[in-house]
Amino acid sequence: ELKVEQNPLFLSMQEGKNYTIYCNYSTTSDRLYWYRQDPGKSLESLFVLLSNGAVKQEGRLMASLDTKARLSTLHITAAVHDLSATYFCAVDISNFGNEKLTFGTGTRLTIIP
Amino acid sequence: GAGVSQSPSNKVTEKGKDVELRCDPISGHTALYWYRQSLGQGLEFLIYFQGNSAPDKSGLPSDRFSAERTGGSVSTLTIQRTQQEDSAVYLCASSPPGQVYEQYFGPGTRLTVT
Repeated sequence: ELKVEQNPLFLSMQEGKNYTIYCNYSTTSDRLYWYRQDPGKSLESLFVLLSNGAVKQEGRLMASLDTKARLSTLHITAAVHDLSATYFCAVDISNFGNEKLTFGTGTRLTIIP
Repeated sequence: GAGVSQSPSNKVTEKGKDVELRCDPISGHTALYWYRQSLGQGLEFLIYFQGNSAPDKSGLPSDRFSAERTGGSVSTLTIQRTQQEDSAVYLCASSPPGQVYEQYFGPGTRLTVT
């Protein structure tokens, strides 16, 4: 059974600081996704990582994938308040791709002024 | 363009009643997914439809849950004889043909069973 673990579960950080959220998964996969969820809202796609060594950046967020270590990271640079949200990683291990996702537990990020 | 839409946005029902939740995927998207988000279980896969293929029902928690997709577009998730543990936000997602696209999520239906 695929397990996807994120840490930390809760993260409170000051504006301007850097931090990293980790996503470990238990079964080989080269398809990993990061989503953002604001309170009471649905999931917004952030990044799609499709190969070992993939790195994608958007604004203050950067995601990377190491399929050998079964690890993805979401790095936040110089955090600002509007990055406060819950972040989920999700893994797809299907044979044909783009099938069911297994989500991590989520990391609730709070940016403090 | 229009995103994934779901209705109703909120549903309160009494234990033992049946409920139907609707999902309208993005036009042209061939794959449709249902997930459930609850405090205790996080985000869980329920069922997946891809074109005309038989759906993957492996995530449905019990035989009280069923889903259908008519005409390759709209989907309905039905929960029979609802229980309090069915209370959750039910999210629908769709994706276009191919293996490399993320899933686009709808706003969800918040179901409360009293």
